Amino acid sequence: ETGVTQSPTHLIKTRGQQVTLRCSSQSGHNTVSWYQQALGQGPQFIFQYYREEENGRGNFPPRFSGLQFPNYSSELNVNALELDDSALYLCASRPTSDGELFFGEGSRLTVL
Amino acid sequence: AQSVTQLGSHVSVSEGALVLLRCNYSSSVPPYLFWYVQYPNQGLQLLLKYTSAATLVKGINGFEAEFKKSETSFHLTKPSAHMSDAAEYFCAVSDHGSGNTGKLIFGQGTTLQVKP
Repeated sequence: ETGVTQSPTHLIKTRGQQVTLRCSSQSGHNTVSWYQQALGQGPQFIFQYYREEENGRGNFPPRFSGLQFPNYSSELNVNALELDDSALYLCASRPTSDGELFFGEGSRLTVL
Repeated sequence: AQSVTQLGSHVSVSEGALVLLRCNYSSSVPPYLFWYVQYPNQGLQLLLKYTSAATLVKGINGFEAEFKKSETSFHLTKPSAHMSDAAEYFCAVSDHGSGNTGKLIFGQGTTLQVKP
């Protein structure tokens, strides 16, 4: 067990709505990354947070935003949901900025 | 920019047979390479990683991979497949060349089927 927990595990939203996904990092990990995995595809990097600051971002529009809290837990927020946002969203934490990534089991978002 | 290509979206082997999953990469800097496994409805688990040390890397569950710079390859092998190896496998390269060590670039994945 990796110790990275995500919630909710499944959720359904409608187009135009907003969603917040949550991640609790493994104890002692100060860096968290978020990935989007569409069905049948490999994960794609959304962004990374280190000590509450975003320090890397992939090719995702600004309606994808995040937060990291002092206890190193994290949120992914997506505004104005589109059908193509339907995917498995994976959170991964690491003990240092270049350490091994430990992934959670993901939150599966369906946008109708 | 880094990229990864996994050759073959589906691979089927018989139990006990050799497993070979192919991965080719493109990188402008010496790459860090990874293989992850994903079981249904689960997250990703690291099998092994290459970070410029030994070119033959041994991982968990009997898997290993060899880094071949001349071929820009990092193929994953296991001498004898087990039914429990059936899963999705992803090859990934780290985008550390840009200083962004948190960003992994994944291939499309290969589904491994193991037949009894």
